[in-house]
This record gives sequence, C-alpha cells and structure tokens, in this order.
Amino acid sequence: ETGVTQTPRHLVMGMTNKKSLKCEQHLGHNAMYWYKQSAKKPLELMFVYNFKEQTENNSVPSRFSPECPNSSHLFLHLHTLQPEDSALYLCASSPLGTNTEAFFGQGTRLTVV
Amino acid sequence: SQQGEEDPQALSIQEGENATMNCSYKTSINNLQWYRQNSGRGLVHLILIRSNEREKHSGRLRVTLDTSKKSSSLLITASRAADTASYFCATDRNNDMRFGAGTRLTVKP
Repeated sequence: ETGVTQTPRHLVMGMTNKKSLKCEQHLGHNAMYWYKQSAKKPLELMFVYNFKEQTENNSVPSRFSPECPNSSHLFLHLHTLQPEDSALYLCASSPLGTNTEAFFGQGTRLTVV
Repeated sequence: SQQGEEDPQALSIQEGENATMNCSYKTSINNLQWYRQNSGRGLVHLILIRSNEREKHSGRLRVTLDTSKKSSSLLITASRAADTASYFCATDRNNDMRFGAGTRLTVKP
C-alpha cells in the first residue's frame, strides 16, 4: 500500500462512453502524474500537475482530459476513446523538489470495446 | 530522449544467482531511480541514486551510475523466486520522470 489510491481498478467502456478515472493521495505531495502503460512499451508520461497547475501535457489527444481540483485529487476524464487506448493507467505522486521518489497507485486497467 | 532504456528486455535465472539489469539514457539528469512492478500492479520504488553518486546499496540491491556513459545498472544478489517482476529505470530531471520499457526478470525456484 503506497498511499496512492486509484479507482476503479478495472473499467470496460464503449467508444462513445464518457468515464472518469480517479486518483487520491493524502501523503502531502504537491506533484501528481498520469502515466499510460501499454504492453511492452515504455511508460508514457501523460500529464504532470504541480500545486494543482498543469505543467506538462505530453502531446496527449484531447479525448483525455485531466482535472486536478486540489493537491490530493487527480482525475482523468475519458471521452470517445479508441480501442488502442486500452492500457493500464497509472497515477503517481511525489513531493516537489529534486531527488524525490514517486509513489504509484495500483492502476486502472482500461479496456475500450 | 531523457527516457531510460533497459537491457535486457527479459532475463531468466535460477534462485540464488545474481541478476544484472542495465539502463541507458541520453540527457542530463538530477537522479536515476529503479522501480519494480508485479504483473498488472503499480510500480514500487526501490532505490534512487543522485547524479553525483556512483554507487548505492540497499539490502540485496546494488546500483551503479556512470554519468559519463549515461548508464546505470541494477544488481540483485542471491535472487529469490519472489524477485520475479518487471524492473524499470526512471530518469528524473526537475520532477519530470521518464521510464523505459523495463526488464522482465524471472527467478526459477
């Protein structure tokens, strides 16, 4: 248990659905991240938030929309996804500053049908 | 790119043997970190080595960093079946952390 909680753990959605992934941490961290993990590919950094402000958008399609209402919560809103978006979506948090480790949630296994 | 690349992609050894995994990267970094992932789960931090450090130990783990060659290695000594997992290196520059595709380690009992 890392202190970072993601819900749901598994999600199956159709291409026309709208769904949201949730990430929560009460570790006092001010940086939060979304990563996408596809089979046999490097983890792809999607979004970075520092003090609730988005500081990185790694060329992610607009069908993925992040939201960070406060430093403890991070959402990823999903809309009109494609089958190739099926993957494990991982949330992480870390303290701000250099030489800090990231704490990951267990991930949401997303399947787009 | 800043992203780390692990080598080999897969490694299979017998229990009790040592396992060595390598990581290469291309840009300057603040630190390099190693993580472990059990199948389909989140990543767990193992060890962090700063850019001004050359070697670090934690239990059965030994990490080296050569910034001139932009490479790092992770050594797991006296491996156990429970060490079976994927291992990732991550390069960190100003809280921008990039991962490679990982090395899949299988330790046979």
